[in-house]
Amino acid sequence: DAMVIQNPRYQVTQFGKPVTLSCSQTLNHNVMYWYQQKSSQAPKLLFHYYDKDFNNEADTPDNFQSRRPNTSFCFLDIRSPGLGDAAMYLCATSKATGETYEQYFGPGTRLTVT
Amino acid sequence: KQEVTQIPAALSVPEGENLVLNCSFTDSAIYNLQWFRQDPGKGLTSLLLIQSSQREQTSGRLNASLDKSSGRSTLYIAASQPGDSATYLCAVEDGNKLVFGAGTILRVKS
Repeated sequence: DAMVIQNPRYQVTQFGKPVTLSCSQTLNHNVMYWYQQKSSQAPKLLFHYYDKDFNNEADTPDNFQSRRPNTSFCFLDIRSPGLGDAAMYLCATSKATGETYEQYFGPGTRLTVT
Repeated sequence: KQEVTQIPAALSVPEGENLVLNCSFTDSAIYNLQWFRQDPGKGLTSLLLIQSSQREQTSGRLNASLDKSSGRSTLYIAASQPGDSATYLCAVEDGNKLVFGAGTILRVKS
């Protein structure tokens, strides 16, 4: 009963080579999030979609882009990965109900940059 | 800007012990607070969500409390087991996004 699915689970890319991470959900939630988590650090929100509306965090580098072609899927594109972009990337979803946005997370994609 | 702090950063206890993990936040105007568990190299599993109007939530051996006015939450784990070993993260909902603490690494020794 996978609810938030991320592919691949592990991704190795070369310095400067574009990479795309995928997230899909079976919960029919209208909000989807992408977080970056570096080793021993708190997850950091990169951006989120509220329905089709894209919301970028102020300190998210331009190197990071996202697409949401439909309710179920959301992609994270890293245009030119640097060594500092090696991290766990977490996708989450929530259903906007009143003031409560309980978030459900996927298993993450571990990105290595060589 | 909301900031979340978790104390202690790491904790090691013998099996069977009751323990408390602490979380504090700087802005009390939150909608809810979530506690998560993260196993090494894995994603986050939601343990408990406390809405701003609630004082506590319980699930099995876990009990989470929330004191908005003082900006604090605690996660109480009863009768700890080796399988409880993981990183526990606290997050507050700030608008429609979560602000996380850095987590407490828990090790329960058998």
